[in-house]
Amino acid sequence: KAGVTQTPRYLIKTRGQQVTLSCSPISGHRSVSWYQQTPGQGLQFLFEYFSETQRNKGNFPGRFSGRQFSNSRSEMNVSTLELGDSALYLCASSLAVDSGANVLTFGAGSRLTVL
Amino acid sequence: AQTVTQSQPEMSVQEAETVTLSCTYDTSESDYYLFWYKQPPSRQMILVIRQEAYKQQNATENRFSVNFQKAAKSFSLKISDSQLGDAAMYFCAYRSGETGANNLFFGTGTRLTVIP
Repeated sequence: KAGVTQTPRYLIKTRGQQVTLSCSPISGHRSVSWYQQTPGQGLQFLFEYFSETQRNKGNFPGRFSGRQFSNSRSEMNVSTLELGDSALYLCASSLAVDSGANVLTFGAGSRLTVL
Repeated sequence: AQTVTQSQPEMSVQEAETVTLSCTYDTSESDYYLFWYKQPPSRQMILVIRQEAYKQQNATENRFSVNFQKAAKSFSLKISDSQLGDAAMYFCAYRSGETGANNLFFGTGTRLTVIP
């Protein structure tokens, strides 16, 4: 069973550009969450999608957005990139949302460097 | 908001020995879940163990076990018979069981070094 696949694994952008990251969840998983990991702020929740709807959102500016497709694949977009957006972006998928036994399975992440 | 605190930025252990990583959390909820995730240099977060707050029995997974003290809001991870492959960042995480939200609150992590 394939795991959570994130693409690209590495990318370099310059300030002001935008970036789109992709996440393919484990087959059958309908919930996809995104996290940002930086040395200074640690792991922070960005947003969560379930059945193509954003269910929860963390405390990030509107430059950070996402969407989920009918096949549960998700993309996140960051517009007008800033140096502080350099981070490892992790995607996690899970089978259900309102289940207390729900376990998140993470992908290997996309490392974004903003110059 | 829930907060998770890991007070040990770095820990080291001799191979085959036992090490305990500390985690405390703050919440006003009674229904929640606690997790330990491992992040090796490959960066992929791997679930090590989880604990449901309503269960008094401490979770165990092979060489990994937890000491869950609900009243003290403490959730430590014990690794027995440490192996070189255990070297990684370890993150403690909290998830609400009351809001239905699927997001995790993470601690700042503990870097574990295993000495051969």
